[in-house]
Amino acid sequence: AQSVTQPDIHITVSEGASLELRCNYSYGATPYLFWYVQSPGQGLQLLLKYFSGDTLVQGIKGFEAEFKRSQSSFNLRKPSVHWSDAAEYFCAVANNNDMRFGAGTRLTVKP
Amino acid sequence: DAMVIQNPRYQVTQFGKPVTLSCSQTLNHNVMYWYQQKSSQAPKLLFHYYDKDFNNEADTPDNFQSRRPNTSFCFLDIRSPGLGDAAMYLCATSRDRAGQIYEQYFGPGTRLTVT
Repeated sequence: AQSVTQPDIHITVSEGASLELRCNYSYGATPYLFWYVQSPGQGLQLLLKYFSGDTLVQGIKGFEAEFKRSQSSFNLRKPSVHWSDAAEYFCAVANNNDMRFGAGTRLTVKP
Repeated sequence: DAMVIQNPRYQVTQFGKPVTLSCSQTLNHNVMYWYQQKSSQAPKLLFHYYDKDFNNEADTPDNFQSRRPNTSFCFLDIRSPGLGDAAMYLCATSRDRAGQIYEQYFGPGTRLTVT
């Protein structure tokens, strides 16, 4: 069965600094990978997805992620963080209708 | 706008008193999911419907049931809520076509409190 690991429980960055959130997956076949963001008390919003093709995918809100098969990773990046990016970020891997989420990384943005 | 709607947003129930949470969608997606999310944890899949076909996760307690009367609506019934069932309940939908995987769209969630 597929699984996802997000090694960082909590990350703090200064506003305007760059951001990288790590995600490692375990799946035997070609993975379908996602990043979601969740603001407090809200549902999950899709930031971006990777199914196939170009390994660097662009998402909403200025986020991008790079799929690296050799490292089983799908890290999320943003060149300049805004205070409104403070939220919980979940990486997920899917197989058919079965989507498995990582434990999440909570992002705090310092002024 | 097409979306996933959950009602109510906040629900308080008493220990052991049955409660029903509601989800509706205007996306016309054929797959609907229910997740349980406890504080600072990842969403945990309870079950999903593929059209009318119900698919239960192996570790979902019998206390949790679901109904999908039509494409647009799906309900989560908790027959006898315990204190451990207090959580955010998320509904999600996705398209599905044989051999294809699509992203899931989430509703805003219902925060359940058990007193």
